[in-house]
Amino acid sequence: QAVVTQESALTTSPGGTVILTCRSSTGAVTTSNYANWVQEKPDHLFTGLIGGTSNRAPGVPVRFSGSLIGDKAALTITGAQTEDDAMYFCALWYSTHFVFGGGTKVTVL
Amino acid sequence: EVKLVESGGGLVQPGGSLRLSCATSGFTFTDYYMSWVRQPPGKALEWLGFIRNKANGYTTEYSASVKGRFTISRDNSQSILYLQMNTLRAEDSATYYCARDIGGEWGQGTTLTVSS
Repeated sequence: QAVVTQESALTTSPGGTVILTCRSSTGAVTTSNYANWVQEKPDHLFTGLIGGTSNRAPGVPVRFSGSLIGDKAALTITGAQTEDDAMYFCALWYSTHFVFGGGTKVTVL
Repeated sequence: EVKLVESGGGLVQPGGSLRLSCATSGFTFTDYYMSWVRQPPGKALEWLGFIRNKANGYTTEYSASVKGRFTISRDNSQSILYLQMNTLRAEDSATYYCARDIGGEWGQGTTLTVSS
């Protein structure tokens, strides 16, 4: 099974920009991997942010955007807010199944 | 407002079975793929499987770790998603979440403990 790798932790300042990436052990991530991004806040509150590489879920602030950067999927938070301090998971599709990454802890301070 | 509410978790002995439910509201249930995801304590998320929408024939896909033991189904008349879990093992202990597309709305989770 493929392994999906994310940065373990990233830090940014309020108003700053942070880019989280999602790498596949099988090679370059493409739109066929339909990258999804999910935010986890304390008490295991999960919110889907992005589906299909770049499609923002309804109600998700525009400061969250999904893309492909090089051979990886990426989640960019532009103008980070203190409430974005959370864990972020990506998931990639491999024809018959999704695989989640281990998550990135984003600290905003 | 989109809502997903899981239920049915609890304590089960190894080898036992359990069915989880996910009651949904606020959207046209048949339009969406519905997924089950779990998170063991202190570990990352694990995708378990999904059931496709009406346009795609409500077919299913599963992770290798649960294929043959877990079954995802849906009651489209009541907008409820199910996860039937058989031959449960200690490593199935986790909080289980349903999601309307992984990148969409999630429920609050229900916890399963498999122990004798």
